[in-house]
Amino acid sequence: GAVVSQHPSRVICKSGTSVKIECRSLDFQATTMFWYRQFPKQSLMLMATSNEGSKATYEQGVEKDKFLINHASLTLSTLTVTSAHPEDSSFYICSARDHLAGGTQYFGPGTRLTVL
Amino acid sequence: GESVGLHLPTLSVQEGDNSIINCAYSNSASDYFIWYKQESGKGPQFIIDIRSNMDKRQGQRVTVLLNKTVKHLSLQIAATQPGDSAVYFCAERRGTGFQKLVFGTGTRLLVSP
Repeated sequence: GAVVSQHPSRVICKSGTSVKIECRSLDFQATTMFWYRQFPKQSLMLMATSNEGSKATYEQGVEKDKFLINHASLTLSTLTVTSAHPEDSSFYICSARDHLAGGTQYFGPGTRLTVL
Repeated sequence: GESVGLHLPTLSVQEGDNSIINCAYSNSASDYFIWYKQESGKGPQFIIDIRSNMDKRQGQRVTVLLNKTVKHLSLQIAATQPGDSAVYFCAERRGTGFQKLVFGTGTRLLVSP
């Protein structure tokens, strides 16, 4: 099946710093990628929809200036958490939509962000 | 607002039993539903999907049932194994265009040997 990777898998940073998370589709092209956030024992909450070559679409309540999304190629989207604070600590998961496979979304393994 | 939710937060079964995980949705316009399995510290893994023009779909050891009349979705796992222990989410695809997924709250399945 299609594979989506994320890097890094785990990151610890100091409050006030910025962290970049990469999401790659390894064996298919993804014009659309999605970024989710998941707090412990909770469900996945969609943060934004990332489209190759255009601006991301953010969900209500998600600060676009804090969570910068770039989708520069058909296989890579990045999420940058700017000026991270402890409340940004969470599990960030991306998914990539394979439009050639009926639009099935494949999920990455997630990135655990801990802000001290 | 509209949501996709689950009736049971935790389901405990014995190895070999059949498991049934339920999900209620409220958006009658949704046309596609997916079940995902998520193990601790990992991303969701696709299990099975079903389109709204179907009421049943079978996979290997899993069956998804869709009842559009009462807006209910279920996942049946036959001969449950310890490796099936995980959190299971139903997801509903909404909208046109980018077709984002809306996830339910999740059910934890615990399988005892």
